[in-house]
Amino acid sequence: QVQLVESGGGVVQPGRSLRLSCAASGFAFSSYAMHWVRQAPGKGLEWVAVISYDGSTKYNADSVQGRFTISRDNSQNTLFLHMNSLRAEDTAEYYCARDLEGVVIVGYFDYWGQGTLVTVSS
Amino acid sequence: SSELTQDPAVSLALGQTVRITCQGDSLRTYFASWYQQKPGQAPVLVIYGKNNRPSGIPDRFSGSSSGNTASLTITGAQAEDEADYYCNSRDSSGNHYVFGTGTKVTVL
Repeated sequence: QVQLVESGGGVVQPGRSLRLSCAASGFAFSSYAMHWVRQAPGKGLEWVAVISYDGSTKYNADSVQGRFTISRDNSQNTLFLHMNSLRAEDTAEYYCARDLEGVVIVGYFDYWGQGTLVTVSS
Repeated sequence: SSELTQDPAVSLALGQTVRITCQGDSLRTYFASWYQQKPGQAPVLVIYGKNNRPSGIPDRFSGSSSGNTASLTITGAQAEDEADYYCNSRDSSGNHYVFGTGTKVTVL
């Protein structure tokens, strides 16, 4: 069965960096676009970034542009989110999610991980 | 970027029907998807595209769209449908995505 397991969250000081990982299993990871979505405590969902199946196409939300980078290693079935210059407002649960269609990015998130919590605080 | 607006909360009696709406300019061009999120859990896709349900989603969930408004209807709500519901669609650029503000559904 499809499984997505995030890791790498924790407490980090403002201005520092963190790398999140999402280990995928149960499907042909290299054939699917992937997303990161976050949720601040007690708040709604916010889309963060998408990467195409082969890593050639990437888009970020304006709120993280220039600070966050999405990447993937298809040989390791792993998705990453590299987060630099972290701010207090980046504190959130970070979810990875699979794009439903596969090669074509359709923006429907059919499988989600359980999330990893990032807390930015001094 | 675009915004998607939802009513903050709705309550209904067990077995009643509820329509949750999502308004935004990008919905004139793009279909929405809908996600159910229960406390402490990851979101679950319940409706996508014109009116498609993933495997395992009960047929009491349906979607529709008209103009700048997308709707999620729960026909004959069950206690387990109590959750937060979020719409999502592309923004005006077509390359970014935006979630709605969310609707808390309470089943009495």
